[in-house]
Amino acid sequence: AQSVTQLDSQVPVFEEAPVELRCNYSSSVSVYLFWYVQYPNQGLQLLLKYLSGSTLVKGINGFEAEFNKSQTSFHLRKPSVHISDTAEYFCAVSRFQGAQKLVFGQGTRLTINP
Amino acid sequence: DAGVIQSPRHEVTEMGQEVTLRCKPISGHNSLFWYRQTMMRGLELLIYFNNNVPIDDSGMPEDRFSAKMPNASFSTLKIQPSEPRDSAVYFCASNGRNQETQYFGPGTRLLVL
Repeated sequence: AQSVTQLDSQVPVFEEAPVELRCNYSSSVSVYLFWYVQYPNQGLQLLLKYLSGSTLVKGINGFEAEFNKSQTSFHLRKPSVHISDTAEYFCAVSRFQGAQKLVFGQGTRLTINP
Repeated sequence: DAGVIQSPRHEVTEMGQEVTLRCKPISGHNSLFWYRQTMMRGLELLIYFNNNVPIDDSGMPEDRFSAKMPNASFSTLKIQPSEPRDSAVYFCASNGRNQETQYFGPGTRLLVL
């Protein structure tokens, strides 16, 4: 079975500051990794995903994440945040091939202060 | 593309009533997932279908919950009878054959009084 731990439930940052949202996972098999964003009262939108290849993946809205197999981590970063980045961010894993169900972390609420 | 469509967007009902949530996946997608989001438990998978067949329903909380997918373009999640602890946001998602990314609908916010 897979599990995901998002190490921070809330992250407050000032506008234009850098941010890192941390995600660690556990799995006995190879996995795919995802970051989704949820804006208030909306569904989940894919930010980026790691399937294979380069461990640094770039997504929408200037976000990027780095897959670190040895540390079983997939941290999300943005060099300069904007007020519009205020949202909840979810890290998720699914098994490599086979069943495609997603296992989510508990979410990190990112609050951007002016 | 219209994306995943869910209805209703909001539902308020009284304990004991039957609730039916509906989902239309993206055209051409062959897998459909139902998730529930609560403050206490976060996002959890309830059930998923592949080619209209239920594959894994281990997340369905109890017999009061049932889900069907009569065809490739429609699925329902039914709660009968509903209880206050069923209050949550229910999301439907779909993905295509050999695709890893799930696309989520806007969710149905359910409140059981």
